[in-house]
Amino acid sequence: QQQVKQSPQSLIVQKGGISIINCAYENTAFDYFPWYQQFPGKGPALLIAIRPDVSEKKEGRFTISFNKSAKQFSLHIMDSQPGDSATYFCAVEGGTSYGKLTFGQGTILTVHP
Amino acid sequence: NAGVTQTPKFQVLKTGQSMTLQCAQDMNHNSMYWYRQDPGMGLRLIYYSASEGTTDKGEVPNGYNVSRLNKREFSLRLESAAPSQTSVYFCASRGAGVTYEQYFGPGTRLTVT
Repeated sequence: QQQVKQSPQSLIVQKGGISIINCAYENTAFDYFPWYQQFPGKGPALLIAIRPDVSEKKEGRFTISFNKSAKQFSLHIMDSQPGDSATYFCAVEGGTSYGKLTFGQGTILTVHP
Repeated sequence: NAGVTQTPKFQVLKTGQSMTLQCAQDMNHNSMYWYRQDPGMGLRLIYYSASEGTTDKGEVPNGYNVSRLNKREFSLRLESAAPSQTSVYFCASRGAGVTYEQYFGPGTRLTVT
């Protein structure tokens, strides 16, 4: 059983557009929801994270929106730039899986100039 | 600080051969992790170590063994490599405290023929 489902698998956006990636989870015990960014040939790196006590967190052009009742969270990239082209992973942690992240399947984002 | 380092960067093995992937971190982190990354599957946890002297299985442990040699080093061993173990392997570490951020190494690309 997949604990977190991520969509879409790939996304193409024009420069200046908004990129939106979604994740849905099953376990209501999860209490930490990060997004990781990975460039080709590199390891993933933490981009932004949220806890369930807030519905939104913004860092620069990156925003996480969190819907606890729907068990969904999403990453919004405003004014997308070619340098944002990368693979993005959502992840969850909490409950009996404390100390371990479970990752989504990944979204390959391509921003055309 | 080098962060998380992994060796080797690339490796080709024949079916049945064995090898050890090395990982070290210089951030004095307690927890260390081994993941494999396959297209469309995200990052899947193989083994993790919450602290020096302890190791636990993750989602996909079959065919692998680990050793937490000391606080800095966490190695992953393939005793008898199989083509299904062709993947990119990432090591990660995480400190204690309120931040849950995992820091990833650059990865090892392994091909088993």
